[in-house]
Amino acid sequence: DQQVKQNSPSLSVQEGRISILNCDYTNSMFDYFLWYKKYPAEGPTFLISISSIKDKNEDGRFTVFLNKSAKHLSLHIVPSQPGDSAVYFCAALEGGSQGNLIFGKGTKLSVKP
Amino acid sequence: GAGVSQSPSNKVTEKGKDVELRCDPISGHTALYWYRQSLGQGLEFLIYFQGNSAPDKSGLPSDRFSAERTGGSVSTLTIQRTQQEDSAVYLCASSLARFGGVNGYTFGSGTRLTVV
Repeated sequence: DQQVKQNSPSLSVQEGRISILNCDYTNSMFDYFLWYKKYPAEGPTFLISISSIKDKNEDGRFTVFLNKSAKHLSLHIVPSQPGDSAVYFCAALEGGSQGNLIFGKGTKLSVKP
Repeated sequence: GAGVSQSPSNKVTEKGKDVELRCDPISGHTALYWYRQSLGQGLEFLIYFQGNSAPDKSGLPSDRFSAERTGGSVSTLTIQRTQQEDSAVYLCASSLARFGGVNGYTFGSGTRLTVV
Protein backbone atom coordinates (compact mmCIF):
# COMPACT_ATOMS: atom_id res chain seq x y z
CA ASP A 1 0.00 0.00 0.00
CA GLN A 2 1.44 3.33 -1.05
CA GLN A 3 2.33 5.63 1.83
CA VAL A 4 3.22 8.55 -0.46
CA LYS A 5 0.85 9.28 -3.31
CA GLN A 6 1.16 11.60 -6.26
CA ASN A 7 -2.17 11.18 -7.97
CA SER A 8 -1.44 13.26 -11.05
CA PRO A 9 0.98 11.47 -13.36
CA SER A 10 1.36 14.57 -15.51
CA LEU A 11 0.79 18.33 -15.53
CA SER A 12 1.07 20.83 -18.35
CA VAL A 13 1.52 24.55 -17.64
CA GLN A 14 2.18 27.64 -19.72
CA GLU A 15 5.50 29.41 -19.22
CA GLY A 16 5.20 32.19 -16.65
CA ARG A 17 2.21 30.63 -14.90
CA ILE A 18 2.17 28.79 -11.58
CA SER A 19 2.79 25.04 -11.41
CA ILE A 20 1.23 23.23 -8.45
CA LEU A 21 2.35 19.67 -7.78
CA ASN A 22 0.46 17.74 -5.13
CA CYS A 23 1.39 14.92 -2.79
CA ASP A 24 -0.64 13.02 -0.19
CA TYR A 25 0.62 10.70 2.50
CA THR A 26 -0.93 8.19 4.85
CA ASN A 27 1.68 7.70 7.57
CA SER A 28 1.15 10.20 10.39
CA MET A 29 4.65 9.39 11.68
CA PHE A 30 6.28 11.08 8.69
CA ASP A 31 7.93 14.24 9.89
CA TYR A 32 10.18 15.31 7.05
CA PHE A 33 9.26 15.79 3.42
CA LEU A 34 11.38 16.41 0.35
CA TRP A 35 10.87 17.14 -3.33
CA TYR A 36 13.23 15.79 -5.95
CA LYS A 37 13.42 16.71 -9.62
CA LYS A 38 14.47 14.25 -12.30
CA TYR A 39 15.45 14.88 -15.90
CA PRO A 40 15.56 11.97 -18.39
CA ALA A 41 18.70 9.81 -18.13
CA GLU A 42 19.77 11.58 -14.94
CA GLY A 43 19.37 10.74 -11.28
CA PRO A 44 16.91 12.65 -9.09
CA THR A 45 18.27 15.88 -7.61
CA PHE A 46 17.16 17.42 -4.34
CA LEU A 47 14.96 20.48 -4.75
CA ILE A 48 13.42 21.57 -1.45
CA SER A 49 12.37 20.10 1.87
CA ILE A 50 10.11 20.87 4.80
CA SER A 51 9.95 19.74 8.39
CA SER A 52 6.59 18.83 9.89
CA ILE A 53 6.94 21.65 12.42
CA LYS A 54 6.56 24.13 9.57
CA ASP A 55 3.77 24.74 7.11
CA LYS A 56 5.76 26.56 4.46
CA ASN A 57 9.29 26.67 3.11
CA GLU A 58 10.38 28.93 0.28
CA ASP A 59 13.47 28.88 -1.92
CA GLY A 60 13.42 31.28 -4.84
CA ARG A 61 10.70 30.26 -7.28
CA PHE A 62 9.94 27.11 -5.29
CA THR A 63 7.64 26.94 -2.27
CA VAL A 64 6.50 23.85 -0.45
CA PHE A 65 3.34 23.93 1.65
CA LEU A 66 2.48 21.33 4.26
CA ASN A 67 -1.00 20.68 5.65
CA LYS A 68 -0.51 18.10 8.38
CA SER A 69 -4.16 17.73 9.26
CA ALA A 70 -4.93 16.84 5.66
CA LYS A 71 -1.70 14.86 5.23
CA HIS A 72 -1.07 16.85 2.10
CA LEU A 73 1.82 18.81 0.69
CA SER A 74 2.25 20.77 -2.46
CA LEU A 75 5.09 22.27 -4.45
CA HIS A 76 4.49 25.63 -6.11
CA ILE A 77 6.74 26.87 -8.89
CA VAL A 78 6.28 30.54 -9.78
CA PRO A 79 6.89 31.59 -12.47
CA SER A 80 7.25 28.31 -14.35
CA GLN A 81 10.00 28.07 -16.93
CA PRO A 82 10.56 25.55 -19.76
CA GLY A 83 13.66 24.30 -17.93
CA ASP A 84 11.42 23.20 -15.08
CA SER A 85 10.02 20.45 -17.33
CA ALA A 86 10.94 17.24 -15.50
CA VAL A 87 9.50 14.53 -13.28
CA TYR A 88 8.97 15.67 -9.69
CA PHE A 89 9.05 13.15 -6.86
CA CYS A 90 7.66 13.71 -3.41
CA ALA A 91 9.44 11.82 -0.60
CA ALA A 92 8.84 11.40 3.11
CA LEU A 93 10.73 10.17 6.15
CA GLU A 94 9.47 8.82 9.44
CA GLY A 95 10.49 10.63 12.59
CA GLY A 96 13.47 9.47 14.64
CA SER A 97 14.08 7.42 11.67
CA GLN A 98 15.66 4.11 11.11
CA GLY A 99 13.65 4.06 7.93
CA ASN A 100 14.37 5.23 4.44
CA LEU A 101 12.97 7.90 2.21
CA ILE A 102 9.64 6.75 0.81
CA PHE A 103 8.95 8.12 -2.66
CA GLY A 104 5.80 8.76 -4.63
CA LYS A 105 5.43 7.71 -8.27
CA GLY A 106 6.21 11.17 -9.57
CA THR A 107 4.47 13.83 -11.62
CA LYS A 108 5.75 14.76 -15.06
CA LEU A 109 5.65 18.53 -15.47
CA SER A 110 5.70 20.07 -18.94
CA VAL A 111 6.13 23.83 -19.17
CA LYS A 112 5.23 25.10 -22.59
CA PRO A 113 6.81 28.25 -24.02
CA GLY B 1 34.58 11.76 -6.64
CA ALA B 2 32.49 14.82 -7.25
CA GLY B 3 29.28 12.87 -7.62
CA VAL B 4 27.82 9.40 -7.38
CA SER B 5 29.04 7.32 -10.29
CA GLN B 6 27.19 4.28 -11.61
CA SER B 7 28.20 1.78 -14.25
CA PRO B 8 27.20 0.62 -16.73
CA SER B 9 24.71 3.29 -17.72
CA ASN B 10 22.80 0.77 -19.81
CA LYS B 11 22.73 -3.00 -19.67
CA VAL B 12 20.80 -5.42 -21.86
CA THR B 13 20.87 -9.01 -20.72
CA GLU B 14 19.16 -12.25 -21.57
CA LYS B 15 16.65 -13.73 -19.19
CA GLY B 16 18.34 -16.12 -16.79
CA LYS B 17 21.74 -14.44 -16.87
CA ASP B 18 23.38 -12.76 -13.86
CA VAL B 19 24.20 -9.06 -13.86
CA GLU B 20 26.35 -6.82 -11.68
CA LEU B 21 25.71 -3.12 -11.25
CA ARG B 22 28.34 -0.87 -9.73
CA CYS B 23 28.07 2.27 -7.61
CA ASP B 24 30.90 4.56 -6.58
CA PRO B 25 29.56 6.97 -3.93
CA ILE B 26 30.76 10.44 -3.06
CA SER B 27 34.01 10.24 -1.15
CA GLY B 28 33.40 10.43 2.58
CA HIS B 29 29.72 9.51 2.39
CA THR B 30 29.16 6.69 4.85
CA ALA B 31 25.58 5.91 3.84
CA LEU B 32 24.78 4.22 0.51
CA TYR B 33 21.39 3.25 -0.86
CA TRP B 34 20.08 1.31 -3.82
CA TYR B 35 16.67 2.14 -5.27
CA ARG B 36 15.01 1.06 -8.47
CA GLN B 37 12.42 2.69 -10.68
CA SER B 38 10.27 0.43 -12.78
CA LEU B 39 8.18 1.82 -15.63
CA GLY B 40 5.41 4.01 -14.23
CA GLN B 41 6.48 3.44 -10.66
CA GLY B 42 8.14 5.52 -8.00
CA LEU B 43 11.53 4.91 -6.49
CA GLU B 44 11.49 1.59 -4.65
CA PHE B 45 13.99 1.13 -1.81
CA LEU B 46 16.17 -1.97 -2.13
CA ILE B 47 19.05 -1.90 0.34
CA TYR B 48 21.00 0.46 2.60
CA PHE B 49 24.59 0.37 3.86
CA GLN B 50 25.93 2.46 6.75
CA GLY B 51 29.60 2.23 7.56
CA ASN B 52 30.53 -1.20 8.89
CA SER B 53 27.04 -2.00 10.15
CA ALA B 54 25.00 -4.87 8.78
CA PRO B 55 23.06 -3.66 5.73
CA ASP B 56 19.32 -3.06 5.79
CA LYS B 57 18.13 -5.52 3.13
CA SER B 58 14.43 -5.11 3.84
CA GLY B 59 13.64 -3.82 0.34
CA LEU B 60 15.24 -6.59 -1.70
CA PRO B 61 12.41 -8.17 -3.71
CA SER B 62 13.77 -11.74 -3.77
CA ASP B 63 16.79 -13.83 -2.88
CA ARG B 64 18.03 -13.39 -6.44
CA PHE B 65 19.08 -9.89 -5.38
CA SER B 66 22.17 -9.24 -3.28
CA ALA B 67 24.54 -6.37 -2.69
CA GLU B 68 27.83 -5.76 -1.05
CA ARG B 69 29.91 -2.77 -0.20
CA THR B 70 33.65 -3.21 -0.08
CA GLY B 71 35.84 -1.10 2.17
CA GLY B 72 32.95 1.18 2.99
CA SER B 73 33.06 2.66 -0.49
CA VAL B 74 32.15 0.99 -3.79
CA SER B 75 29.00 -1.11 -3.87
CA THR B 76 27.90 -3.84 -6.25
CA LEU B 77 24.28 -4.91 -6.72
CA THR B 78 24.00 -8.42 -8.17
CA ILE B 79 20.88 -9.88 -9.72
CA GLN B 80 21.01 -13.60 -10.38
CA ARG B 81 18.92 -15.42 -12.97
CA THR B 82 17.41 -12.20 -14.22
CA GLN B 83 13.72 -12.07 -15.09
CA GLN B 84 11.89 -9.64 -17.35
CA GLU B 85 10.26 -7.99 -14.34
CA ASP B 86 13.74 -6.98 -13.17
CA SER B 87 13.88 -4.48 -16.04
CA ALA B 88 14.12 -1.05 -14.43
CA VAL B 89 16.45 1.85 -13.74
CA TYR B 90 18.61 1.02 -10.75
CA LEU B 91 19.64 4.12 -8.82
CA CYS B 92 22.36 4.43 -6.24
CA ALA B 93 22.52 7.28 -3.75
CA SER B 94 24.85 8.29 -0.96
CA SER B 95 24.77 10.67 1.98
CA LEU B 96 26.95 11.72 4.90
CA ALA B 97 24.64 9.95 7.31
CA ARG B 98 21.39 8.08 7.18
CA PHE B 99 18.67 10.19 5.62
CA GLY B 100 21.22 12.83 4.75
CA GLY B 101 19.81 15.74 6.62
CA VAL B 102 17.93 18.60 5.01
CA ASN B 103 19.36 17.91 1.56
CA GLY B 104 18.48 14.25 1.40
CA TYR B 105 20.53 11.93 -0.72
CA THR B 106 22.73 12.52 -3.77
CA PHE B 107 21.75 10.16 -6.56
CA GLY B 108 23.76 8.77 -9.43
CA SER B 109 22.43 8.74 -12.98
CA GLY B 110 21.35 5.14 -12.71
CA THR B 111 21.78 1.93 -14.67
CA ARG B 112 18.99 1.11 -17.10
CA LEU B 113 18.63 -2.67 -17.07
CA THR B 114 16.67 -4.37 -19.81
CA VAL B 115 16.06 -8.12 -19.59
CA VAL B 116 15.09 -9.66 -22.91
